[in-house]
Amino acid sequence: QPVLTQPPSASASLGASVTLTCTLSSGYSNYKVDWYQQRPGKGPRFVMRVGTGGIVGSKGDGIPDRFSVLGSGLNRYLTIKNIQEEDESDYHCGADHGSGSNFVGVFGGGTKLTVL
Amino acid sequence: QITLKESGPPLVKPTQTLTLTCTFSGFSLSTSGLGVGWIRQPPGKALEWLALIYWDDDKRYSPSLKTRLTITKDTSKNQVVLTMTNMDPVDTATYFCAHRRLCSSGDCAMFDPWGQGTLVTVSS
Repeated sequence: QPVLTQPPSASASLGASVTLTCTLSSGYSNYKVDWYQQRPGKGPRFVMRVGTGGIVGSKGDGIPDRFSVLGSGLNRYLTIKNIQEEDESDYHCGADHGSGSNFVGVFGGGTKLTVL
Repeated sequence: QITLKESGPPLVKPTQTLTLTCTFSGFSLSTSGLGVGWIRQPPGKALEWLALIYWDDDKRYSPSLKTRLTITKDTSKNQVVLTMTNMDPVDTATYFCAHRRLCSSGDCAMFDPWGQGTLVTVSS
């Protein structure tokens, strides 16, 4: 199964942009990855799914247009433009290994985004 | 609107069995293609997928924990129950349940939405 690697922390100033990275382990370049936002004390919230061609399917409910994704090689990126205070959260990437009902879920270590 | 809520004991002793209940609304686990999963998060650490049950009673478990986990569903009550045996302090975590929908196109989220989680502490 794939291993997902995320840097533990990132920061950006209010109104700026930031790109978060999730890196798949070698051999899994065709995998789609989900991004989740987790505000303090809350459950994760689905942001969007990303493959090498960009967004897959639809954004999660209520996710602003400021959020976008890209995929390249083993990397899956989440970009947040015009960062707001409410964007300060932990961001997790996850992938389902196996097709259909044959499932194993894996998550990255999460990136804590601080808004300066 | 789909909602899920986890419930269970906040404190369990080492070696005891943990039983958690996920009570949901807005969907039925008798509907083809739907499932409910359990995921946990130790304090300050990463998410870890635990188990998943589908509408047809197909079940999947984390390979590293499968000997300790059992997942069941009660469709009439809109509930999914997870039991974890032989609890240890390293199992201290917030436990989440989440909705899953199978999509043939592969466009659907792995889990969406999630519950708010319930914190379980393992200590004597």
